[in-house]
Amino acid sequence: EPEVTQTPSHQVTQMGQEVILRCVPISNHLYFYWYRQILGQKVEFLVSFYNNEISEKSEIFDDQFSVERPDGSNFTLKIRSTKLEDSAMYFCASSMTAGNQPQHFGDGTRLSIL
Amino acid sequence: SQKIEQNSEALNIQEGKTATLTCNYTNYSPAYLQWYRQDPGRGPVFLLLIRENEKEKRKERLKVTFDTTLKQSLFHITASQPADSATYLCALPRGGSQGNLIFGKGTKLSVKP
Repeated sequence: EPEVTQTPSHQVTQMGQEVILRCVPISNHLYFYWYRQILGQKVEFLVSFYNNEISEKSEIFDDQFSVERPDGSNFTLKIRSTKLEDSAMYFCASSMTAGNQPQHFGDGTRLSIL
Repeated sequence: SQKIEQNSEALNIQEGKTATLTCNYTNYSPAYLQWYRQDPGRGPVFLLLIRENEKEKRKERLKVTFDTTLKQSLFHITASQPADSATYLCALPRGGSQGNLIFGKGTKLSVKP
């Protein structure tokens, strides 16, 4: 069964550094998402992406975040200048269409900011 | 603002019994509701989706109900097994969005042999 893959599985970065998290969504999916989960808390929506542009973003997704689909397969999340509170699991997801469709999640990147 | 409550943080049951998990929401009327399973250190895995015009949905040992009057969904696992032990997440579409989800905090289910 096709799956969403994310790399790296664990990223350790010094505060203030830039970090790029990578995702390969399911190949025939058109909608892509990033969510994050701080340890012990709920999964929170960050941003959705369709047709090479952001379709919606949450209050968490401020100017230090950006997303890109640099080629036909990868989908990246960049955090420009990391803060301690950015430490979390970051999940990428994809779906065939928007709306009442299941989302397929990767197993996440654990981001640790020191 | 939209709120989702999964009112049990943890549920412990004996193998073979039926587990019933509750999801309540306030301040809007979602067109559908989804349930996911999350194992430690893993991403959520989709289980079931139920639309607002559906009262009940089944898949193997899983059953979901959706009561739009009570603003509540119930998720049942019948003949539970230790392998069903996981955290179960309720998710609803963000109001006005095209599919972006808000999640409940989840209920951690433990099935004892």
